[in-house]
Amino acid sequence: QKEVEQDPGPLSVPEGAIVSLNCTYSNSAFQYFMWYRQYSRKGPELLMYTYSSGNKEDGRFTAQVDKSSKYISLFIRDSQPSDSATYLCAMRSIQGAQKLVFGQGTRLTINP
Amino acid sequence: GAGVSQSPRYKVTKRGQDVALRCDPISGHVSLYWYRQALGQGPEFLTYFNYEAQQDKSGLPNDRFSAERPEGSISTLTIQRTEQRDSAMYRCASSLGEMNTEAFFGQGTRLTVV
Repeated sequence: QKEVEQDPGPLSVPEGAIVSLNCTYSNSAFQYFMWYRQYSRKGPELLMYTYSSGNKEDGRFTAQVDKSSKYISLFIRDSQPSDSATYLCAMRSIQGAQKLVFGQGTRLTINP
Repeated sequence: GAGVSQSPRYKVTKRGQDVALRCDPISGHVSLYWYRQALGQGPEFLTYFNYEAQQDKSGLPNDRFSAERPEGSISTLTIQRTEQRDSAMYRCASSLGEMNTEAFFGQGTRLTVV
């Protein structure tokens, strides 16, 4: 079993819809949780980062962490075609420096 | 430079040959990381450096893989006696420091072993 599980999709939704992306994990030592966006033929870019449990909002994006359930989510409101990309969750422990453990990535398409 | 630069962008090599992949991190970034990303998968950690010191190499698959960063800037990932299973995208990332949460990724080197 992988340390981080993420449904690879693909996920296709109409423009303007609310998108929910999720990951589960097994390592209770993980304290830092990130979401990366990766466009085709590009490297991953950091979208959101959360420390421990809670919510974080940045514009149309909201990240949620539920450590008790070992479950993290990314919500995208008012989705745009430009949001079409692969979304990767990643996490690490406090001692783990930047030894990030990534999920498989979910391929998202927003249809105009 | 403006971003993390990796070269070459594409490398095709014959099985058994050695390859060297280069990473030039963002200027001033202390920490440098190597990841490997298979098609349709997330990046998988290989190794990382703070300055010139290799802090963790637990992700290197076997002793054919090695990495160095002799002057604390440019890094080279070397794969000896390449095998077809080594084919993947190799990504480098850098950050201001090891506890900095944002690592900036390069565009990667696509390695194909034939």
